[in-house]
Amino acid sequence: DSGVTQTPKHLITATGQRVTLRCSPRSGDLSVYWYQQSLDQGLQFLIQYYNGEERAKGNILERFSAQQFPDLHSELNLSSLELGDSALYFCASSVYLAKEQFFGPGTRLTVL
Amino acid sequence: AQSVAQPEDQVNVAEGNPLTVKCTYSVSGNPYLFWYVQYPNRGLQFLLKYITGDNLVKGSYGFEAEFNKSQTSFHLKKPSALVSDSALYFCAVRDRSYNTDKLIFGTGTRLQVFP
Repeated sequence: DSGVTQTPKHLITATGQRVTLRCSPRSGDLSVYWYQQSLDQGLQFLIQYYNGEERAKGNILERFSAQQFPDLHSELNLSSLELGDSALYFCASSVYLAKEQFFGPGTRLTVL
Repeated sequence: AQSVAQPEDQVNVAEGNPLTVKCTYSVSGNPYLFWYVQYPNRGLQFLLKYITGDNLVKGSYGFEAEFNKSQTSFHLKKPSALVSDSALYFCAVRDRSYNTDKLIFGTGTRLQVFP
């Protein structure tokens, strides 16, 4: 158990819908990262937050947004969902600029 | 741009034999390199890292990795493979761009250990 929690584990929804994925980092970690894992794109970085502020953006679509709250948990919002958004979404946390990132178990999103 | 490459989609090895999963990197400056493992329906688990120091890095579950600067490689190794080592292995490099330390992953190598 990495100490990073993600909810829900599975999410099945329809095209055009909006969903919210939630992540709670390890105790004491200020930095949160979101990654997407899909068969065709592999593991791709989406976005990073540090202590509530956005630090970096990767290959994140405009339909996607995220935020980190004062209690340091983070949410990834995906809207106007398309079939191609079906993937495993991971959250990771770390102490900023130090050592390794610890990954949550992921949320598997299926868009029908 | 920084990147890592995993040239093998799959590696097959018999239980008890040594295993190697290959990774090469392309970075400007000194690389921070990582290996992660993903078991079916699970998240990524950290195995080991190279930041600085000894070129041979020891990690979890008996794995080790050798950093080779001249060959720009960071191969994952284990002296004696177990069936339970069968999983998907990812090499990653930390992005050294300003303001972020995100990870850039390779495409992954599936390790299959046969009894």
